[in-house]
Amino acid sequence: DGGITQSPKYLFRKEGQNVTLSCEQNLNHDAMYWYRQDPGQGLRLIYYSQIVNDFQKGDIAEGYSVSREKKESFPLTVTSAQKNPTAFYLCASSIGSTASQHFGDGTRLSIL
Amino acid sequence: GQQVMQIPQYQHVQEGEDFTTYCNSSTTLSNIQWYKQRPGGHPVFLIQLVKSGEVKKQKRLTFQFGEAKKNSSLHITATQTTDVGTYFCAGHRYVGSSNTGKLIFGQGTTLQVKP
Repeated sequence: DGGITQSPKYLFRKEGQNVTLSCEQNLNHDAMYWYRQDPGQGLRLIYYSQIVNDFQKGDIAEGYSVSREKKESFPLTVTSAQKNPTAFYLCASSIGSTASQHFGDGTRLSIL
Repeated sequence: GQQVMQIPQYQHVQEGEDFTTYCNSSTTLSNIQWYKQRPGGHPVFLIQLVKSGEVKKQKRLTFQFGEAKKNSSLHITATQTTDVGTYFCAGHRYVGSSNTGKLIFGQGTTLQVKP
């Protein structure tokens, strides 16, 4: 079955530590996205990539970094510069930049 | 800041009652998409509207896109317990004549249905 796989499902970070969230898709989609969701709020865009080897900052990119070396993969690193990283992180992909988005199951990140 | 506003934030209804959520953008949108997120789950795409004044139906769900392409609504007729979840609208904005490729989400409306 085609889909998006995010791992891990739960992640704990110590103060001052960088952590990387994995996102893999086998839908052959060109565009991929990272969102952050806080309780009772909508989805806020962190980074997006419309094509391999290219990505753009979203609305809340500070403290995060990404890479897009392969079409299937779009990992997100939450750096120690992100002072409030506790949230639900969702990865999505779409066949084109204005098409519907398919979401992974998400990763819940917490601070120890 | 948030450019797509969605109301109400929460709605509790008795099973069988109707439900409507409204979405308003400060700028013209090239399209509007609606997603549903069940508790503990991830957003799932429901529908996309593109044309000014467009209306689409999916069984008990009716979606509208405003004439000015700045607002939208989702109406559920005769709610069921399976309708429980958070409904998000999301739209792509134009910058100049180009679509930005960024989908802007509303804050969502959480629907609870009492059996």
